[in-house]
Amino acid sequence: EAGVAQSPRYKIIEKRQSVAFWCNPISGHATLYWYQQILGQGPKLLIQFQNNGVVDDSQLPKDRFSAERLKGVDSTLKIQPAKLEDSAVYLCASSLASWGEQFFGPGTRLTVL
Amino acid sequence: GIQVEQSPPDLILQEGANSTLRCNFSDSVNNLQWFHQNPWGQLINLFYIPSGTKQNGRLSATTVATERYSLLYISSSQTTDSGVYFCAVLNTGNQFYFGTGTSLTVIP
Repeated sequence: EAGVAQSPRYKIIEKRQSVAFWCNPISGHATLYWYQQILGQGPKLLIQFQNNGVVDDSQLPKDRFSAERLKGVDSTLKIQPAKLEDSAVYLCASSLASWGEQFFGPGTRLTVL
Repeated sequence: GIQVEQSPPDLILQEGANSTLRCNFSDSVNNLQWFHQNPWGQLINLFYIPSGTKQNGRLSATTVATERYSLLYISSSQTTDSGVYFCAVLNTGNQFYFGTGTSLTVIP
């Protein structure tokens, strides 16, 4: 069974530029999550989707971050414009249901200069 | 939100030694997972353990939900066990929170 796929694996941008990350969850998983992990800390949930609907986006900085999961499968997370403090690893995870075991992708390491 | 504290924050072991990592949480949970984050950043699932005891090879875990803690046991540690260990809990509102992590270094 294929795991959670993410791309790109690494991205370096200048502050005020835009960036987008892509995630393909495990086949059949209805719930998809985006996390931000700053160096030395545990992952922090940004947004949770159930199929193509948002369940929780309470910690998403909505002035600059957006995410979508249009067909209930793939998802994209966008930052526009990026700030220095957005430098982090962005992790995508999926689970069969919102209370189920989560499986993580390899992450995208973002550096904002 | 729920508070998830892990101890110890850092641990250095000689290869072959045993260790116990602890995860305390401040409220009732529906779900608890243990992860190992390897030096390349990949989060690897170890246990899905909302209650009870599970074992997988040299690793085992116990969650006592009524007392709001979970323990991860590593026996006969190997250098490949190095990395950061996280517990993560799902609160009764179905929100997932990660703990503060335990950084483990196993030296040969």
